[in-house]
Order: sequence, then C-alpha cells, then structure tokens
Amino acid sequence: DAGVIQSPRHEVTEMGQEVTLRCKPISGHNSLFWYRQTMMRGLELLIYFNNNVPIDDSGMPEDRFSAKMPNASFSTLKIQPSEPRDSAVYFCASRTQGDTGELFFGEGSRLTVL
Amino acid sequence: GDSVTQMEGPVTLSEEAFLTINCTYTATGYPSLFWYVQYPGEGLQLLLKATKADDKGSNKGFEATYRKETTSFHLEKGSVQVSDSAVYFCALKNAGNMLTFGGGTRLMVKP
Repeated sequence: DAGVIQSPRHEVTEMGQEVTLRCKPISGHNSLFWYRQTMMRGLELLIYFNNNVPIDDSGMPEDRFSAKMPNASFSTLKIQPSEPRDSAVYFCASRTQGDTGELFFGEGSRLTVL
Repeated sequence: GDSVTQMEGPVTLSEEAFLTINCTYTATGYPSLFWYVQYPGEGLQLLLKATKADDKGSNKGFEATYRKETTSFHLEKGSVQVSDSAVYFCALKNAGNMLTFGGGTRLMVKP
C-alpha cells in the first residue's frame, strides 16, 4: 500500500521565490497534518485538516504561509515569498479521524532557501 | 498546556549496550503516550504506544511503561544495534486528539 506521498523531496530556491509543497495522504484517511522540522525548533505543527477543512492553523508562522486541501487526496503548502529562515524539512502526515493516534508520515520535503 | 520533555542527545552507545531514553510529560486528564522513530532521511513512524496507566508498549525489542505517578514513559532496549541509530520522539495525545511531540533524542550506536 502506498504511504503518504510528498513532493518534491528536495527544493532549493532563492529568497523571494514562491514555493509549493505537495502531499497525497493515505487513501481513506480524513485528517491531514503539516509539520516543519528544524534543528533549532524541533517538530512544529503548522496546520491540520479534518475532512478537507482547516481546523487549526495557529502554527502557521505568518501570512507568507498558506495551506489548502481541495479534495481528500491532495494538499498543498505554499510559501510566498520564501525567506532563508524557512529552510527546513516539511512533513505531511495523515490518519483516520478518531484513530488511537497513529500518524503516518511522508518522507518529507527538504527546503533550502538561499 | 500539554508538553513533553525528553533527554537531550545525542546518546552514543556501543552495540549491545543497554538503552534508556527518558521522557516525562505534563497533561491534564489521561493521555495516550507514544514513541515515534525517525531513521535518517525518512519521516517519523510509530514505534510503540500505551493508552493507560501501567500499560507497557513494546516493539522490535523496545519497551516503555506508562507511569502515571511519575508522569513518565521512558524508552528502553536491552541490547542496541547499529541499525537502531535514529532520532526518537516521545509524544502524547490528549482528549483533543492532537499529538504533542517532545524535542527528539538522537541515538548513535557504534559497532
């Protein structure tokens, strides 16, 4: 079975450019999460969706970040404009709502902003 | 609010050594507790869990016991292998159904 699929795996861009990260959750999962991982701050929850609806985006750092989930099988995280401090690994994770708690993570998208 | 505190790493051990990674938590109510593992270049994956006090979660030779009296969920393994080298995350899930992660502990096992 396919797991959570993220793309791109690696992205190098210059400051000011728009970045779009993509995620396909596991089929049948109706909760989706975006996390950011850095050495300094560890693993941070940015936003999560239940049934394609954003429930809590309090972790989104600022207005430059936006996330969408147009349907049950696709989500995007966009950064516009990007800054060097956005460099991190971004993880998407999914689970069934009301599950005992196991999250299934993608392999992450490593973003480097020069 | 809920929080999870882990011992800082890196933890460096020789192969076949005994492993303990400490984890304590602060939460209201009765959270479920988890250990996730992240191998190099990969996402996190569930290692083990415990849903109520005195439960012991176990998997792949790792164990952790839910200790409500000390609000702890320490991870142990009797004999580590080089392949256990990874980052280990303790986490809790409370009534809000959200996971709160600790900062992660890097384990390095040398042959």
